[in-house]
Amino acid sequence: EPEVTQTPSHQVTQMGQEVILRCVPISNHLYFYWYRQILGQKVEFLVSFYNNEISEKSEIFDDQFSVERPDGSNFTLKIRSTKLEDSAMYFCASSRRRDSINEKLFFGSGTQLSVL
Amino acid sequence: KQEVTQIPAALSVPEGENLVLNCSFTDSAIYNLQWFRQDPGKGLTSLLLIQSSQREQTSGRLNASLDKSSGRSTLYIAASQPGDSATYLCAVTNTNAGKSTFGDGTTLTVKP
Repeated sequence: EPEVTQTPSHQVTQMGQEVILRCVPISNHLYFYWYRQILGQKVEFLVSFYNNEISEKSEIFDDQFSVERPDGSNFTLKIRSTKLEDSAMYFCASSRRRDSINEKLFFGSGTQLSVL
Repeated sequence: KQEVTQIPAALSVPEGENLVLNCSFTDSAIYNLQWFRQDPGKGLTSLLLIQSSQREQTSGRLNASLDKSSGRSTLYIAASQPGDSATYLCAVTNTNAGKSTFGDGTTLTVKP
């Protein structure tokens, strides 16, 4: 079965450093998302991306965050200057959504980001 | 602002029991509701998706219902097995851009 692939599985960085989290969505999917889950808290929406532009973003997704689809397969989340509170599991997701919003979300296994 | 609540937070049952997990949401203007399973250290797996116009969906031993007007959904698991042990998350899709709001989850333990 096709799956969403995320790399790396773990990332440790120093506060103030830039990090790029990478995702390869399912190949025929059109909508891409980033969510995050801080330890012990709910899964939170960060951003949705369609047709090479952001469709919607949350209050969390401030100027320190950016997303990009640099080629036909990768989807990246960049955090420019990491803060301690950015430590979380970051999930990439994708959905097919050709004709309807009612398509299942497929999630990757996540990247555990630890900011020291 | 949409809020999603799940009860109970944790549930422990002996193998073979039927069980119900509950999800409630505050804003009934949703596109759909999904139930996910999350295993420790893993991603989320979509189990069932109920469109806003639907009342229920079934997959194998799982049955999910939706009462949009009252802001409630239930996930029924029949004949539970130890392999069903996981955290079950409920999420509602609020916007056409696909933003989903998640509940805290119910952690299920099925004892052999």
